Amino acid sequence: AQSVTQPDIHITVSEGASLELRCNYSYGATPYLFWYVQSPGQGLQLLLKYFSGDTLVQGIKGFEAEFKRSQSSFNLRKPSVHWSDAAEYFCAVGINSGNTPLVFGKGTRLSVIA
Amino acid sequence: NAGVTQTPKFQVLKTGQSMTLQCAQDMNHEYMSWYRQDPGMGLRLIHYSVGAGITDQGEVPNGYNVSRSTTEDFPLRLLSAAPSQTSVYFCASRRDRVGTGELFFGEGSRLTVL
Repeated sequence: AQSVTQPDIHITVSEGASLELRCNYSYGATPYLFWYVQSPGQGLQLLLKYFSGDTLVQGIKGFEAEFKRSQSSFNLRKPSVHWSDAAEYFCAVGINSGNTPLVFGKGTRLSVIA
Repeated sequence: NAGVTQTPKFQVLKTGQSMTLQCAQDMNHEYMSWYRQDPGMGLRLIHYSVGAGITDQGEVPNGYNVSRSTTEDFPLRLLSAAPSQTSVYFCASRRDRVGTGELFFGEGSRLTVL
């Protein structure tokens, strides 16, 4: 079965600084990878996804993520963080096989300071 | 377009009481699911459905029942609430049965069991 690990529980960055959130997955074949964001008191919203092709994917709100097969990683990046990016971020992995549900990481909480 | 609608948003129960969390989607999605979110645990899948009349258990199904009589609705029932079921519950739907498409989330239902 697939699994996903987000090593960082909480990250604090200064507004305007760059951001990288880590995600590692475990699956024998190429998985389908997602990043979701959850603002306080809200449901989850899709930031971006990777299915195949170009390993650098662009998402909404200026986020991007890079799939690295050799490292089993799918790290999320943003060049310049805004205060409104403070939220919880979840990486998720899915496989295109039957009804296998999406598996989520435990999340990384991002705080942004002035 | 309402998307995924959950009711109620907040609920307080006493131990042993029963209740139903409602979830409805207006996107004609085949797949619907319920997650619970607890601090430090991320999102854990409770039950899911790949179409009317078809349901299956997720990671943490004990204490919860579901049914899917229509494409639109996927209620989650707690037959005898326990304090361990205090959590935030999210309903999510996806267009297709297989695990590759975007999950659309409701805004969540916060349940407290005293």
